[in-house]
Amino acid sequence: DVVLTQTPSTLSATIGQSVSISCRSSQSLLDSAGNTYLYWYLQRPGQSPQLLIYLVSNLGSGVPNRFSGSGSGTDFTLKISGVEAEDLGVYYCMQATHAPYTFGAGTKLELK
Amino acid sequence: QVRLKESGPRLVQPSQTLSVTCTVSGFSVTSYHVSWVRQPPGKGLEWVGAIWKGGSTDYNSALKSRLSISRDTSKNQVFLKMNSLQTDDTGTYYCVKGFAYWGQGTLVTVSS
Repeated sequence: DVVLTQTPSTLSATIGQSVSISCRSSQSLLDSAGNTYLYWYLQRPGQSPQLLIYLVSNLGSGVPNRFSGSGSGTDFTLKISGVEAEDLGVYYCMQATHAPYTFGAGTKLELK
Repeated sequence: QVRLKESGPRLVQPSQTLSVTCTVSGFSVTSYHVSWVRQPPGKGLEWVGAIWKGGSTDYNSALKSRLSISRDTSKNQVFLKMNSLQTDDTGTYYCVKGFAYWGQGTLVTVSS
């Protein structure tokens, strides 16, 4: 199974600070058709996960443009340009290129 | 409006079978795949399995021998069945449309 390694596991930030989360895959997520099925989610406390980014860099519906995704192959990054209070929670990457699909262990974003 | 709602027992005894239903609205289960994802209390997300729009299925390797996902297209429902439950199967079970839209989840506790 594909292993996704997220770093850091915890991230402390002030409001307005820009932060990045890394997601590294144990194998390339590029499929034979040229697609890369890498997703990012935010789970706020007590809520279901919410889609932020799909296919590496596409913004989910209604997601603020301070969120951006980048990367290719095995290395991917989620960036938040100017953290807001509503961004606090746990961020997960997920791959859906290779079944069975897998999630990273999560990165908790908290206020410094 | 896309909605997914999970329903099932809150408490299941060890060694018994779990049955959870995902009732969807706003889309057809024959047009989009539906996944199941679970989350033990205080822990991360785990992909359980999926049923594709054509009706084929994929399962988590570790759960495959105990797991079955099916659907009723006339009722627009997707079903999860997992047998031989153990205490570490305790958690919130979510159904997800196309990796984008999540249900509110249903908490299942495995305990005698």
